[in-house]
Amino acid sequence: EAQVTQNPRYLITVTGKKLTVTCSQNMNHEYMSWYRQDPGLGLRQIYYSMNVEVTDKGDVPEGYKVSRKEKRNFPLILESPSPNQTSLYFCASSLYRGGETQYFGPGTRLLVL
Amino acid sequence: KNQVEQSPQSLIILEGKNCTLQCNYTVSPFSNLRWYKQDTGRGPVSLTIMTFSENTKSNGRYTATLDADTKQSSLHITASQLSDSASYICVVIHRDDYKLSFGAGTTVTVRA
Repeated sequence: EAQVTQNPRYLITVTGKKLTVTCSQNMNHEYMSWYRQDPGLGLRQIYYSMNVEVTDKGDVPEGYKVSRKEKRNFPLILESPSPNQTSLYFCASSLYRGGETQYFGPGTRLLVL
Repeated sequence: KNQVEQSPQSLIILEGKNCTLQCNYTVSPFSNLRWYKQDTGRGPVSLTIMTFSENTKSNGRYTATLDADTKQSSLHITASQLSDSASYICVVIHRDDYKLSFGAGTTVTVRA
């Protein structure tokens, strides 16, 4: 089954404790991205990757890091989480940027205390 | 700044009734416009994708329309079902850099 998976689905952590949210897709997509979703604001792009070893900032990259060492994986790293990073996070992938349907993961709900 | 605005913010309809959601955008030039359905607690799922040359596209009981001249799109839900209760998100893709601009969504609640 073609899908995007994220782990963990739910996470409670404390300020300053580094965490990683994993994302994996099995569709051989070149384009992957991370979004956060907050009430009333809609989805906002954090980072995106056009291909392996190619990443770029989205609209709200501060406080986040990403890497793309393999085509299928695109982890999101919070080096020192803060309460304002409490949000619902989605990973998404598509064959390439802009022209094809994006497939979204199930989401990771993060609470930073 | 490229923006996508959706209205209404939320609506409640009775099962079996129709409803129409609106999306106005300023993205220009644009490549394509998409509507997504997002069930509570889940990731968005694509409903329709329309290029600038398409006026209408259907997916079952969902019909999207596009007027590229006025920069407006609508999503019409026919004979609503309880399973249509969700948030509907309009996304516009810029033609030059393929940047995605998301609307804040319309929350639809279908009641029996």
